[in-house]
Amino acid sequence: GENVEQHPSTLSVQEGDSAVIKCTYSDSASNYFPWYKQELGKRPQLIIDIRSNVGEKKDQRIAVTLNKTAKHFSLHITETQPEDSAVYFCAARGTSYDKVIFGPGTSLSVIP
Amino acid sequence: NAGVTQTPKFQVLKTGQSMTLQCAQDMNHNSMYWYRQDPGMGLRLIYYSASEGTTDKGEVPNGYNVSRLNKREFSLRLESAAPSQTSVYFCASSPGPRLELFFGEGSRLTVL
Repeated sequence: GENVEQHPSTLSVQEGDSAVIKCTYSDSASNYFPWYKQELGKRPQLIIDIRSNVGEKKDQRIAVTLNKTAKHFSLHITETQPEDSAVYFCAARGTSYDKVIFGPGTSLSVIP
Repeated sequence: NAGVTQTPKFQVLKTGQSMTLQCAQDMNHNSMYWYRQDPGMGLRLIYYSASEGTTDKGEVPNGYNVSRLNKREFSLRLESAAPSQTSVYFCASSPGPRLELFFGEGSRLTVL
């Protein structure tokens, strides 16, 4: 069935270090694999996504890698800063194209 | 453009009362969604609508009904509220095919 998992559920890093969050999906009709950031008390916002025919995409300090065979994609944040502290969600389509399922979230804390 | 607008932002109900959460988007998007967010549970899909006139169940539809009144509006109704429905509710819309969802500010509902 449809399932989206994320690991780890919480992550604490020192400022300047890198952070990696992994997302695993089961059935998916997705052609895009996104990551969302939700700051405390705010709404989730898309920060980066990758198309299914691409292995890696970078945007300044963030990058996403996709292994479609293994059904997982990862968010990489380099040179972390305190403002990167937030909850990060991955998402994928379910067995129905318009059904969008989110992972349970990863709470990232960047310690100054 | 206002984006996605949800009302009300806050609501307190007693067990058994009914209420409707309203959502409207001005971006001419076809797809609209309702999610609930509970601590540690991520964003769980309640119902979604791929286009005007269609609605489908998500992961946690029990206790809820929806109406896609027109392309702009997608409402969520609780017929008989229960304490387990205490949550933050987010409405979202998407133009497709990227999984870029635009979220409203959220509605915090407390059921006593």
